[in-house]
Amino acid sequence: GESVGLHLPTLSVQEGDNSIINCAYSNSASDYFIWYKQESGKGPQFIIDIRSNMDKRQGQRVTVLLNKTVKHLSLQIAATQPGDSAVYFCAENPGGYNKLIFGAGTRLAVHP
Amino acid sequence: DAGVIQSPRHEVTEMGQEVTLRCKPISGHNSLFWYRQTMMRGLELLIYFNNNVPIDDSGMPEDRFSAKMPNASFSTLKIQPSEPRDSAVYFCASSSRTGDYGYTFGSGTRLTVV
Repeated sequence: GESVGLHLPTLSVQEGDNSIINCAYSNSASDYFIWYKQESGKGPQFIIDIRSNMDKRQGQRVTVLLNKTVKHLSLQIAATQPGDSAVYFCAENPGGYNKLIFGAGTRLAVHP
Repeated sequence: DAGVIQSPRHEVTEMGQEVTLRCKPISGHNSLFWYRQTMMRGLELLIYFNNNVPIDDSGMPEDRFSAKMPNASFSTLKIQPSEPRDSAVYFCASSSRTGDYGYTFGSGTRLTVV
């Protein structure tokens, strides 16, 4: 799948550095959030999720932080690798049935 | 599990023709979602089903678009008649209501209407 292209914000990092991708969500009633990674020609792939009763969750090399006060979500990637180059989307569940609303996405470019 | 399977992978059609996109969700998942992705609008939710029943089709752009889920293992998204502005990548995703609600996406169908 071709990701949203020309107007995406881009984060450029050096291989080995840490990356932080930010997302502002819209609905204060949202209680579940997910980060997805989309590589060129593929569908979005689940990375990590967090519920609104938490403010931090860690996975393998990734950490998601949730600030409900300002409706902000961030994804931290430790020791970024070339394989991390992709478009990253945050998604929120505004409640009820488990439908997800996606943000516009951020392109992460990792340079050797 | 083979994941969410979409077909065809690519579709090129002429304006005015009918297009049918197909999706097989992950076995045991009871929610199915159709999304459209374009450069201008990003990922848009078109419609979703729960237990084969359409729950919300407010994202379907026009009456030219229709979606069905005749059983738990198959769904179609149909565009009739197709127009050039329908060109996009269409994704199907499925999820389970038990445990985490993360979706699993298919690889998408790239539709080009000329």
